[in-house]
Amino acid sequence: AQKITQTQPGMFVQEKEAVTLDCTYDTSDPSYGLFWYKQPSSGEMIFLIYQGSYDQQNATEGRYSLNFQKARKSANLVISASQLGDSAMYFCAMREVGHNAGKSTFGDGTTLTVKP
Amino acid sequence: DAGVTQSPTHLIKTRGQQVTLRCSPKSGHDTVSWYQQALGQGPQFIFQYYEEEERQRGNFPDRFSGHQYPNYSSELNVNALLLGDSALYLCASSLVVLPNYGYTFGSGTRLTVV
Repeated sequence: AQKITQTQPGMFVQEKEAVTLDCTYDTSDPSYGLFWYKQPSSGEMIFLIYQGSYDQQNATEGRYSLNFQKARKSANLVISASQLGDSAMYFCAMREVGHNAGKSTFGDGTTLTVKP
Repeated sequence: DAGVTQSPTHLIKTRGQQVTLRCSPKSGHDTVSWYQQALGQGPQFIFQYYEEEERQRGNFPDRFSGHQYPNYSSELNVNALLLGDSALYLCASSLVVLPNYGYTFGSGTRLTVV
């Protein structure tokens, strides 16, 4: 069974600074995908970034980067140059890949507050 | 380009009643997944539909059932509602041939059971 752990219920960051949101995972599958989503107060989950288990390089998407450490089973999200609009709930998720790709397992999230 | 559309946005039902939630996937997407998100928790996978069939199911009782239509839209039905079914129900669409892409989620249906 897959499991995602996000140990930081809430985080604060000053505007324009960088912040790291932690995520550790557990799985027996050799092949998997790791995702980060942002959920503003409106409720809609927004896909941010993806990392494949066999990817050699860390994924980056604009101000988002994923610090993937396979041996430690961690997939931390780094947000650079934080903006007020980054205040939201952030979820780490894992999904099997291949023909069984379907279910995603989510962590319980981290609430990020960006201070002006 | 419309994203995922869910209806209704809010719903109040009484224990024991039945409810149907609806979802239209993003244009071009062929797979629909449903998630239940309790307050303060991460989404929990209910099931996924592809080619009008349930492809994978999470740990939810048979009271939760679904359907996918030829136009890829989907419904989630919950029978014999319990107070514990109160949650935000999220629909997510994707392309089966691109499993490594993130879902596109709708804004959800907030179900309250009283």
